[in-house]
Amino acid sequence: DTGVSQDPRHKITKRGQNVTFRCDPISEHNRLYWYRQTLGQGPEFLTYFQNEAQLEKSRLLSDRFSAERPKGSFSTLEIQRTEQGDSAMYLCASSLEASGGAPETQYFGPGTRLLVL
Amino acid sequence: DQQVKQNSPSLSVQEGRISILNCDYTNSMFDYFLWYKKYPAEGPTFLISISSIKDKNEDGRFTVFLNKSAKHLSLHIVPSQPGDSAVYFCAASRYKLIFGTGTLLAVQP
Repeated sequence: DTGVSQDPRHKITKRGQNVTFRCDPISEHNRLYWYRQTLGQGPEFLTYFQNEAQLEKSRLLSDRFSAERPKGSFSTLEIQRTEQGDSAMYLCASSLEASGGAPETQYFGPGTRLLVL
Repeated sequence: DQQVKQNSPSLSVQEGRISILNCDYTNSMFDYFLWYKKYPAEGPTFLISISSIKDKNEDGRFTVFLNKSAKHLSLHIVPSQPGDSAVYFCAASRYKLIFGTGTLLAVQP
């Protein structure tokens, strides 16, 4: 296992269409995060899972966005009725929950670049 | 509100010299800080981290310093190499990461 993978790497869609992205984390990692990065900004937190449970959703995640992590392995992020403002790089990261509340390092995938026309 | 700030959008240094990238934060509850390097169209790559109980961590050419009283951290790269040219993000963590806006480092041969 060489790291976090994401598919597709690029997606061009028309406004109003639905899109779905997939993330495969590092195999032993139980935490999975989604971030979004727009031009000139750092990545912004969207949501995260511990195993299959979605524990937090950012207020950036409107009701058009949904994320799942069935069976606590891969995750999908779906955007319904896409808007031009959804154009961004969508990043997935994973980490292994550390014992005793110790800090954990998140490792990122290559990202999915979405362009909504 | 920007909880993590990188006030220098860009930095240019000569090959072989020291690169110093700075980062400020506002929330004293952050307990872990990380630096990531990012190339265009790629995901961030983890470089080095530091726990809030330490004030320095070193890994090869990279050293991170943490000044908790000033809520400031810095990344030193010595010696700088042209391959270090990229955008550098600092991030603060309590589980989710809060990123700064990045500093574009250009190392001139």
